Amino acid sequence: NAGVTQTPKFQVLKTGQSMTLQCAQDMNHNSMYWYRQDPGMGLRLIYYSASEGTTDKGEVPNGYNVSRLNKREFSLRLESAAPSQTSVYFCASSGAVSRSYNSPLHFGNGTRLTVT
Amino acid sequence: GNSVTQMEGPVTLSEEAFLTINCTYTATGYPSLFWYVQYPGEGLQLLLKATKADDKGSNKGFEATYRKETTSFHLEKGSVQVSDSAVYFCALTLNTGGFKTIFGAGTRLFVKA
Repeated sequence: NAGVTQTPKFQVLKTGQSMTLQCAQDMNHNSMYWYRQDPGMGLRLIYYSASEGTTDKGEVPNGYNVSRLNKREFSLRLESAAPSQTSVYFCASSGAVSRSYNSPLHFGNGTRLTVT
Repeated sequence: GNSVTQMEGPVTLSEEAFLTINCTYTATGYPSLFWYVQYPGEGLQLLLKATKADDKGSNKGFEATYRKETTSFHLEKGSVQVSDSAVYFCALTLNTGGFKTIFGAGTRLFVKA
């Protein structure tokens, strides 16, 4: 009963380094999302994938890229990390209940990233 | 644009006190509304939801009613417990070429024994 699994849990990068955050879900959900959480700002959507083979920008996409590898997996890549990308990153997924309604989001436990 | 505004925290209450956390939204179309809760070190988890006007969502003693006329979805609980200490997020989901969820800033609740 894993749900949404994110790796790694913690990461420290130097400015300019790159890394990929991994996310996998086992609920057969069509839609997957990457959010970042910063104090006092709630969660802000970075990128999302409404279905396998599609990705779209969210509210704060600059400095990030994503890949929807298959229906289960959705990765987030930082090509050249900056201190402004220090944050907690959450992956989430949801499935179609009807044409007009998706299930609530199911979240992973987050990746705490520090860029020095 | 679409947005969610919720009351700033932290909110500090004594055990068995009444809780209200205000949430209002702006949306084009007909959103579904949610309250999520986040415990320390964990991801968010769904607390309750309402998918259309006048629906009442409820779970674990928490309630919220979808008020279209006031564009509000206030969270209430009659008697809080220490274990309710967490961060609470109000959110809306809209289908805009894919379902997207927008969150409020979150309200931290501390409950004292």
